[in-house]
Amino acid sequence: GAVVSQHPSRVICKSGTSVKIECRSLDFQATTMFWYRQFPKKSLMLMATSNEGSKATYEQGVEKDKFLINHASLTLSTLTVTSAHPEDSSFYICSARDSLAGETQYFGPGTRLLVL
Amino acid sequence: AQSVTQLDSQVPVFEEAPVELRCNYSSSVSVYLFWYVQYPNQGLQLLLKYLSGSTLVESINGFEAEFNKSQTSFHLRKPSVHISDTAEYFCAVSRYSGGGADGLTFGKGTHLIIQP
Repeated sequence: GAVVSQHPSRVICKSGTSVKIECRSLDFQATTMFWYRQFPKKSLMLMATSNEGSKATYEQGVEKDKFLINHASLTLSTLTVTSAHPEDSSFYICSARDSLAGETQYFGPGTRLLVL
Repeated sequence: AQSVTQLDSQVPVFEEAPVELRCNYSSSVSVYLFWYVQYPNQGLQLLLKYLSGSTLVESINGFEAEFNKSQTSFHLRKPSVHISDTAEYFCAVSRYSGGGADGLTFGKGTHLIIQP
């Protein structure tokens, strides 16, 4: 099946610093990727839709200047958490939509962010 | 907007017994329906999906789900569970837009606990 990777898998940073998370589709092209946030014992919440070569679309309540998304190629999207604060600590998960089979999303393993 | 309700946060079942995990959704437009499974310390994996056609869909590991439009439900069933089925199960929906499925709206998840 289709594989999506995320890097890093785990990151600890100091408050005020920025953290970049990468999401890659390894064996397929993805013009569209999605970023989700998963809180402990809660479901995943869609943060934004990342489109290759254009600006990301953010869900209501998600600060676009806080969570910068770049989708520079058909296999890579990045999420940068700028000026991170402890409340940004969470599990961030990306998914990629296969350009040839547009109804299915394949998920990455997630990135655990802890802001001290 | 869409919403997904998984009424049971936790379902304990004895091994080899049948199980049903309930999922109801609401949406003002037609949606795709999905079940994802998350094993401990692993990423989300697609279990099965309903796009159109036959309302009964099956997975390769014995799970099945039936789309019921009148009841807006997509319950997941398995006639005989195994210890290895212990996991978190998420029901999700997405709209269809030009290039494929939109970002997913997830339920809160149901933790399936298989007891020996």
